[in-house]
Amino acid sequence: KQEVTQIPAALSVPEGENLVLNCSFTDSAIYNLQWFRQDPGKGLTSLLLIQSSQREQTSGRLNASLDKSSGRSTLYIAASQPGDSATYLCAVSHSNAGNNRKLIWGLGTSLAVNP
Amino acid sequence: NAGVTQTPKFQVLKTGQSMTLQCAQDMNHNSMYWYRQDPGMGLRLIYYSASEGTTDKGEVPNGYNVSRLNKREFSLRLESAAPSQTSVYFCASSDVSQGFYGYTFGSGTRLTVV
Repeated sequence: KQEVTQIPAALSVPEGENLVLNCSFTDSAIYNLQWFRQDPGKGLTSLLLIQSSQREQTSGRLNASLDKSSGRSTLYIAASQPGDSATYLCAVSHSNAGNNRKLIWGLGTSLAVNP
Repeated sequence: NAGVTQTPKFQVLKTGQSMTLQCAQDMNHNSMYWYRQDPGMGLRLIYYSASEGTTDKGEVPNGYNVSRLNKREFSLRLESAAPSQTSVYFCASSDVSQGFYGYTFGSGTRLTVV
């Protein structure tokens, strides 16, 4: 059974710092991995999606990497800002999930960027 | 571009009452999903619909029913609400047919059953 773990559960950093959020998964036979952001009381926003054949994806100050063999992904946030404060969630889909690509979720890392 | 719209945003029910959570997407996505989010449990899939006319159970379907009314709309019904169904419910959609597998989520429905 696929399990997704995110460490740390919470992180507090000063503004401007570069930081790394970690996601690990137990079954390397994934189809893709996604990083989401959730603001308090709000829905989830998709940040980056990495297909199983890819090593990384970049969007602005965000860079996500994927190492299937070791079951790990990292989300790198450069020059963090207070507006980056949110919970970051990692989710994987199984390679045999058919046309629906159901997601298995981590519990998230709650990030606070302090001015 | 509205994306995924969920109604209502908040609801309080008494044990045994019924209600339907509504979800609509305007992105022409084939697949739609209902999740619940609970502290310490993460997001769990209740039901999903891979395409119009089909629905399937997810991890935690007991106590719920769904209807894929058309391609745009996917509703979740609680026939007899229980306190264990107190949660935040999210609807999501995705489309794998066009080579993009990302998900779009609604803003959620916060449900309290007393």
